[in-house]
Amino acid sequence: AQTVTQSQPEMSVQEAETVTLSCTYDTSESDYYLFWYKQPPSRQMILVIRQEAYKQQNATENRFSVNFQKAAKSFSLKISDSQLGDAAMYFCAYRSAHFGNEKLTFGTGTRLTIIP
Amino acid sequence: GAVVSQHPSWVICKSGTSVKIECRSLDFQATTMFWYRQFPKQSLMLMATSNEGSKATYEQGVEKDKFLINHASLTLSTLTVTSAHPEDSSFYICSARAPGLVTDTQYFGPGTRLTVL
Repeated sequence: AQTVTQSQPEMSVQEAETVTLSCTYDTSESDYYLFWYKQPPSRQMILVIRQEAYKQQNATENRFSVNFQKAAKSFSLKISDSQLGDAAMYFCAYRSAHFGNEKLTFGTGTRLTIIP
Repeated sequence: GAVVSQHPSWVICKSGTSVKIECRSLDFQATTMFWYRQFPKQSLMLMATSNEGSKATYEQGVEKDKFLINHASLTLSTLTVTSAHPEDSSFYICSARAPGLVTDTQYFGPGTRLTVL
């Protein structure tokens, strides 16, 4: 079974600074997808960024980028120019690429606080 | 696009009663929907996978007779908590995926807070 580990329960960053959230995972599969989801106080899960394991290039979405290290099974999220609206719980998630196994496995989350 | 709604957003019920939660994909057809449960300050735990027109697949430890899931159409899945008890109080979230969109991405509803008195 796949597992996802987020070792940082809480992180804080000064507004406009950069912060990196860590995520590691364990799998025996070679083809899969990785995601970062954001859950603000409203509790609506919002997709931040996704990465296909077969792609070597790290995904980027505006101020959000990932450092995907397949061999190390590491998938960190970098948030640049942090904004107050970035304050939320961030969950790392894994999904197999095998047809019929689309369920997401989530990490325990990292609570990000933005300091004005 | 890819909007998922849930109804109700918050429900309070008495112990022993049943509660139905609806999950709808508003602008796409969802062949597969997922139901999660989230306790305060914890992560999402998958309860079951629901495929349109077939029986749901429940995760280990989830009572299928207590948490009834129906996915009767490509835009609607329902979760019924039968004979609810205070320990069933939680935040329930659904998600949906659809062919034709980014098929490896799940889109989440806003969640339903259930309080059982």
